[in-house]
Amino acid sequence: EPEVTQTPSHQVTQMGQEVILRCVPISNHLYFYWYRQILGQKVEFLVSFYNNEISEKSEIFDDQFSVERPDGSNFTLKIRSTKLEDSAMYFCASTGLAGEQYFGPGTRLTVT
Amino acid sequence: SQQGEEDPQALSIQEGENATMNCSYKTSINNLQWYRQNSGRGLVHLILIRSNEREKHSGRLRVTLDTSKKSSSLLITASRAADTASYFCATDASDYKLSFGAGTTVTVRA
Repeated sequence: EPEVTQTPSHQVTQMGQEVILRCVPISNHLYFYWYRQILGQKVEFLVSFYNNEISEKSEIFDDQFSVERPDGSNFTLKIRSTKLEDSAMYFCASTGLAGEQYFGPGTRLTVT
Repeated sequence: SQQGEEDPQALSIQEGENATMNCSYKTSINNLQWYRQNSGRGLVHLILIRSNEREKHSGRLRVTLDTSKKSSSLLITASRAADTASYFCATDASDYKLSFGAGTTVTVRA
């Protein structure tokens, strides 16, 4: 069964450093998303991406964040200058025409 | 906000019993999806129910949706230890963007 994959599974970085989180969505899906979950809290929407552009973003997704689909398979989330409060689990997801949204296993980002 | 909110926050049951959890939301939706999350792990998609559907089944899972009450329920029948997890409802109001509730933590005792 096709699945969303994410790398790395765990990323440790120092405050102020740039990180890139990578995702490979399900191949025939058209909509791509990033969500995050701070430990013990709800899953929060960050950004949605369709037709090679951002379709919606939340208040969390400020100028420090960017997304890119550099080729036909990868979907990346970049955080330019990480802060302590960016520590969270980051989930990539993709949706096909049926509307079911499938999530990757997540990248645990720890900012020290 | 049209986030789903689950009830109860936590549920402890004996293996073999049924587990029922509820989700309420605030605004009109296209669909509602249920997910399972084992501690520290990813979100596993369980079932999607559309706004024009009232009930859906998948294996031991039964989901209902009452759009007039803006609520949904997830029933897990004949629970197993492996069902121990957190369960989330997520509502899709537009462009498939999901809004999640805080989840119900289910513990199945052997």
